[in-house]
Amino acid sequence: SQQGEEDPQALSIQEGENATMNCSYKTSINNLQWYRQNSGRGLVHLILIRSNEREKHSGRLRVTLDTSKKSSSLLITASRAADTASYFCATDSDINNDMRFGAGTRLTVKP
Amino acid sequence: DVKVTQSSRYLVKRTGEKVFLECVQDMDHENMFWYRQDPGLGLRLIYFSYDVKMKEKGDIPEGYSVSREKKERFSLILESASTNQTSMYLCASSLTGIHTEAFFGQGTRLTVV
Repeated sequence: SQQGEEDPQALSIQEGENATMNCSYKTSINNLQWYRQNSGRGLVHLILIRSNEREKHSGRLRVTLDTSKKSSSLLITASRAADTASYFCATDSDINNDMRFGAGTRLTVKP
Repeated sequence: DVKVTQSSRYLVKRTGEKVFLECVQDMDHENMFWYRQDPGLGLRLIYFSYDVKMKEKGDIPEGYSVSREKKERFSLILESASTNQTSMYLCASSLTGIHTEAFFGQGTRLTVV
């Protein structure tokens, strides 16, 4: 079964605005990762947050993790048209090496 | 740079054919994964492998098998292709360890007619 569930399914904003996407998961994890996918392409890794971390930054990205609620959020600040893509969270269980994804959030940034 | 290469970008096969999707990575990664991606369903794990000749079923292994004879190559096999296997197939690899990212191939869009 899918581990992560993102919401919203789709998000449309104007350039310069912030975009927030959420991810919830079901079981204990080692890490939670966020990936980006441009239309019809492979996924590219954005950021990894460990289960003992609460917040992490990378450029315009800010990720939070709340293990008590089994949820994470990805914030993209000062969005650009080039940020238009699908964003997925992925979790790996603390039992084996597998990695499972949610259904993703489709972000559209209008110029 | 890590490179994960899938043998075909687009593939059209007939119902009942045996189909091989190949994936090669060049960074000596232990873990390799096959996913299929369908609209609204995200990525679903078909199989993964954590070592040569080792494989584990994911969430949707039915109708698929895999082969990992060499560390760098992970093949997905559709024993008898069906139209409901029309999808985007994504291969990924990662190092063993609990804090590692995955690297993806560009995807193979398979159409079964």
